[in-house]
Amino acid sequence: SQQGEEDPQALSIQEGENATMNCSYKTSINNLQWYRQNSGRGLVHLILIRSNEREKHSGRLRVTLDTSKKSSSLLITASRAADTASYFCAIRTDSWGKLQFGAGTQVVVTP
Amino acid sequence: ETGVTQSPTHLIKTRGQQVTLRCSSQSGHNTVSWYQQALGQGPQFIFQYYREEENGRGNFPPRFSGLQFPNYSSELNVNALELDDSALYLCASSHPSILYNEQFFGPGTRLTVL
Repeated sequence: SQQGEEDPQALSIQEGENATMNCSYKTSINNLQWYRQNSGRGLVHLILIRSNEREKHSGRLRVTLDTSKKSSSLLITASRAADTASYFCAIRTDSWGKLQFGAGTQVVVTP
Repeated sequence: ETGVTQSPTHLIKTRGQQVTLRCSSQSGHNTVSWYQQALGQGPQFIFQYYREEENGRGNFPPRFSGLQFPNYSSELNVNALELDDSALYLCASSHPSILYNEQFFGPGTRLTVL
C-alpha cells in the first residue's frame, strides 16, 4: 500500500509556467523526500525536508512541509520541457530505513 | 548518474521460473535496499541489507529473497514467478554516515513475466 498520496495524478503545463504538486501522508515522519523519475527509469533525489523544517529551496524547486496537516508541496518554478517526468514523494519514519513512496504525479511540460 | 548499477536492464521470464537480479552499490556504501515498482505506481520497499545482513523487510512473501556480498553488491532472487511480479526493480545504496542516509538509486531492471 502507498503511504503517501500525491495530488494531482497528472499535470500538463506550458514552459515557463509553475507546477505545484501535493503529497499527503498518514504517519509521523522523520523526513520527507521528493524524487523525479524519467520514463520509468531510476529515481533522482531532488530534495529532503526534515520534520522540524517548514520550507526548503533548491534552485527552481521549493518544498513546504506542514506536519500538523501531514502534507507537503513541491513547486517547480519556470518549468522547462526537461522537467517532464513523474514526481514522487517519499516519507521516512525513522532516521534510516525504508522509504515509503506515493503513487506519483505525472508532469508534462510542453514547449 | 549515481554510480549504482543494475543488471540486466530487461528480462523476460515465464510464470513459475526463478530470476536473479544484481546490483552494484556506489563505492563506499554498505547498505542496499530493493524496491518493486509496478506500472503506474510508486516503488514498494522489498528489503534492505546492511553489512551482509537483512535488517528490514516489506510486505513481500518469502519467495523474494536476497543476498549481500562482502563487497556490498547485492542480489534479489524471486522464485516461482507470478504474473504480478512484472515490474521495475530498483536498488538503492546508502551509508549510515551520509546525512539522513540518502539513498542513491540505480536505473532499474525491467522484469516481464509471461
